[in-house]
Amino acid sequence: AQSVAQPEDQVNVAEGNPLTVKCTYSVSGNPYLFWYVQYPNRGLQFLLKYITGDNLVKGSYGFEAEFNKSQTSFHLKKPSALVSDSALYFCAVNDYKLSFGAGTTVTVRA
Amino acid sequence: NAGVTQTPKFQVLKTGQSMTLQCAQDMNHEYMSWYRQDPGMGLRLIHYSVGAGITDQGEVPNGYNVSRSTTEDFPLRLLSAAPSQTSVYFCASSIEPVGEQYFGPGTRLTVT
Repeated sequence: AQSVAQPEDQVNVAEGNPLTVKCTYSVSGNPYLFWYVQYPNRGLQFLLKYITGDNLVKGSYGFEAEFNKSQTSFHLKKPSALVSDSALYFCAVNDYKLSFGAGTTVTVRA
Repeated sequence: NAGVTQTPKFQVLKTGQSMTLQCAQDMNHEYMSWYRQDPGMGLRLIHYSVGAGITDQGEVPNGYNVSRSTTEDFPLRLLSAAPSQTSVYFCASSIEPVGEQYFGPGTRLTVT
């Protein structure tokens, strides 16, 4: 069975500092990994995905994610966080059905 | 394109009532799915469809029913509402099952 884990419920950073949101996965075959973001009272928006190829994936709004097969991780990163990045972030693995992590609330303080 | 639309935005039901949450997409996507979002649990898949006439169960299907008569529409029916079904419901669609999913704005359902 596939699953993802987001070990941190909350991440707090100052504006301008690097932002990292952690995700680890468990799948039986090759992983299809995704990051989605949810702003208050909104639906989820796609940020980026890893299917195959380069381990560093670039996505929307300046976000990127690093796929690490040996550590079974897919951490989301942004070099310089903005207050507007404050939101709920979900990691997901897709093996025909999408399975989400519990989510990480990111707060970026001015 | 309107993308994925959901109605209603909010709904309050009494225990035992039934209702249908509507979902429609105008992107000609074959794959559609329903999720519920509960605090601290992420999103959990209720039912999904890989095309008109084909549906299957997800992680938490009990108490819900779906059908897919057209590519555009994928309604979710609550057969006999229970307080445990209080949640926010999201519909999503994608070109293929393992592709990027487009989400609707959600329906907040309260069952008293």
